[in-house]
Amino acid sequence: QSVLTQPPSVSGTPGQTVTISCSGSSSNIGSNFVNWYQHLPGMAPKLFMYRNNQRPSGVPDRFSGSKSGTSASLAISGLRSEDESDFYCAAGDDSLSGVVFGGGTKLTVL
Amino acid sequence: VQLVESGGDLVQPGGSLRLSCSASGFTFSSYWMYWVRQVPGKGLVWVSRINNGGTTTTYAESVKGRFTISRDNGRNTVSLQMNNLRAEDTALYYCTREARSAVGMFDAWGQGTLVTVSS
Repeated sequence: QSVLTQPPSVSGTPGQTVTISCSGSSSNIGSNFVNWYQHLPGMAPKLFMYRNNQRPSGVPDRFSGSKSGTSASLAISGLRSEDESDFYCAAGDDSLSGVVFGGGTKLTVL
Repeated sequence: VQLVESGGDLVQPGGSLRLSCSASGFTFSSYWMYWVRQVPGKGLVWVSRINNGGTTTTYAESVKGRFTISRDNGRNTVSLQMNNLRAEDTALYYCTREARSAVGMFDAWGQGTLVTVSS
């Protein structure tokens, strides 16, 4: 059971907007930045969003991140088939003196 | 920037294994390094971390007392000594670099090395 809570799956049709949620607590999301990772099968995870809402170079601006209190979300607009992937949220945790991840969300484009 | 893990293998319960991660393309001694694992079909889980100087280490509760992280800044390597291995330690182990002054922001990952604990 992961410390951060994500929905196991999210789906949408091409062109739609979908959101992946990430829920935590005051010791992690509530007091630290949230980062998101994209993980494709057989590949290394890739930093996809950092410090809540910053996109690394190469990540389309169709993707946006936000954080409010102890929750965060990753929004994808104009959904495309190539967006299909697993996404993980992560944050530092002051109680654990480490990093906690969400359980991952599989994004499916119908 | 490149991180290359090695050392994964099949080991019996109770056995030991040492993972290594060779880093290149950046000033290794400036970065905190982490090990993150993924059980097949499951999510990512933080295992251990070490500060840039090698003087501070932290472990997930599930591995505390069994795993030891270390680094050699002269050889640009970080290692994970795993003792008293259990079936639940079976996973793909990733070496990852944490961006400076950004807890949980891993901007470089290796391809992973597979550890299988089974009799």
